[in-house]
Amino acid sequence: NAGVMQNPRHLVRRRGQEARLRCSPMKGHSHVYWYRQLPEEGLKFMVYLQKENIIDESGMPKERFSAEFPKEGPSILRIQQVVRGDSAAYFCASSPPGGSGGELFFGEGSRLTVL
Amino acid sequence: GENVEQHPSTLSVQEGDSAVIKCTYSDSASNYFPWYKQELGKGPQLIIDIRSNVGEKKDQRIAVTLNKTAKHFSLHITETQPEDSAVYFCAASRGRDDKIIFGKGTRLHILP
Repeated sequence: NAGVMQNPRHLVRRRGQEARLRCSPMKGHSHVYWYRQLPEEGLKFMVYLQKENIIDESGMPKERFSAEFPKEGPSILRIQQVVRGDSAAYFCASSPPGGSGGELFFGEGSRLTVL
Repeated sequence: GENVEQHPSTLSVQEGDSAVIKCTYSDSASNYFPWYKQELGKGPQLIIDIRSNVGEKKDQRIAVTLNKTAKHFSLHITETQPEDSAVYFCAASRGRDDKIIFGKGTRLHILP
């Protein structure tokens, strides 16, 4: 049973470009969460999604960031017009139906570097 | 919203000694408190969790305690080993259909 798969593992973008990070949850999991981790900082909640539905996006910046989890395919975190401050590790986690009342299973992260 | 504070940010412990990491939370409605371990270059992994109907839980060398009145919870690692070196995160959640909020982490160094 494959774990949470994130790709790309490393992504380099120039300022102003777009970054797309993908996350495939564990088999049977219907909830996806995105967190951002800056160096020497904790995991900052960004967004929580079910298929075709955003449950909580209270941690998402109001501009340039969006997330989706379509009926088919992976969840995608999209960052438009990236700036240097977007450089971070972005972690995706999934949980079974029932949501976050239990364990989150994390992927290995996507490390975004903005030049 | 929920705010989780974690201390210390860095902790060095002699191999074989115990390590204690403490967290406080702000939302009295939180009822689920997991602890995650993150090794270098990896994603966090759950090591133990506790729910609000329990005051203490133990799993081999790891134990967690919860004081709901004071809104704080702690992780205790006994007989520390080199492989315990990692970053540890506490977290809190209201449970079902609620996000999990993490503390800023504790970098634990086990000294030989």
